[in-house]
Amino acid sequence: AQTVTQSQPEMSVQEAETVTLSCTYDTSESDYYLFWYKQPPSRQMILVIRQEAYKQQNATENRFSVNFQKAAKSFSLKISDSQLGDAAMYFCAYGPGGADGLTFGKGTHLIIQP
Amino acid sequence: EAEVAQSPRYKITEKSQAVAFWCDPISGHATLYWYRQILGQGPELLVQFQDESVVDDSQLPKDRFSAERLKGVDSTLKIQPAELGDSAMYLCASSRHSGAEAFFGQGTRLTVV
Repeated sequence: AQTVTQSQPEMSVQEAETVTLSCTYDTSESDYYLFWYKQPPSRQMILVIRQEAYKQQNATENRFSVNFQKAAKSFSLKISDSQLGDAAMYFCAYGPGGADGLTFGKGTHLIIQP
Repeated sequence: EAEVAQSPRYKITEKSQAVAFWCDPISGHATLYWYRQILGQGPELLVQFQDESVVDDSQLPKDRFSAERLKGVDSTLKIQPAELGDSAMYLCASSRHSGAEAFFGQGTRLTVV
């Protein structure tokens, strides 16, 4: 079974600075997807960024980028120029290439210090 | 902007009672998921539908939980009887296909007393 590990229960960063959230996963598959989802307090979960395992290029979405290391099974999220609105729980998720649902990590609570 | 609709937002029920949650996915999304999220943890998949068919219900406690998506559109998740340990957020999500972005609803927060 696939597992996703987020080793940082909580991270804190000053507004406008850069923070990196860590994620490792375990799978024997070669074709899969990786995701970072953001869950603000009392609000729905939204997709931050998505990476296909077959793509070597790291995905980027504005201030959000990933460092995907397939051999190391590592998928970290970098948030540049942190903003107060970035405060939320961040979940790393693994999705197999077939028809299965996502496996989520336990999440990292990101605090933005003004 | 299209959203996944869930109701109710909050539900308090007594242990041993029956409870049901409803989800309406984004139009055109063939894949529908129900997840359970215990406070402080990540969501765990309960059941996945492709159109009206169950693709994966391996983590669904079938002695008390049931899910259906009769016409391949909206879906209902039922718990009978509810237990104290069922208190959690129940999230519905939909996607066009596996591997595509999954859009989540706001969830139903269940408290069993």
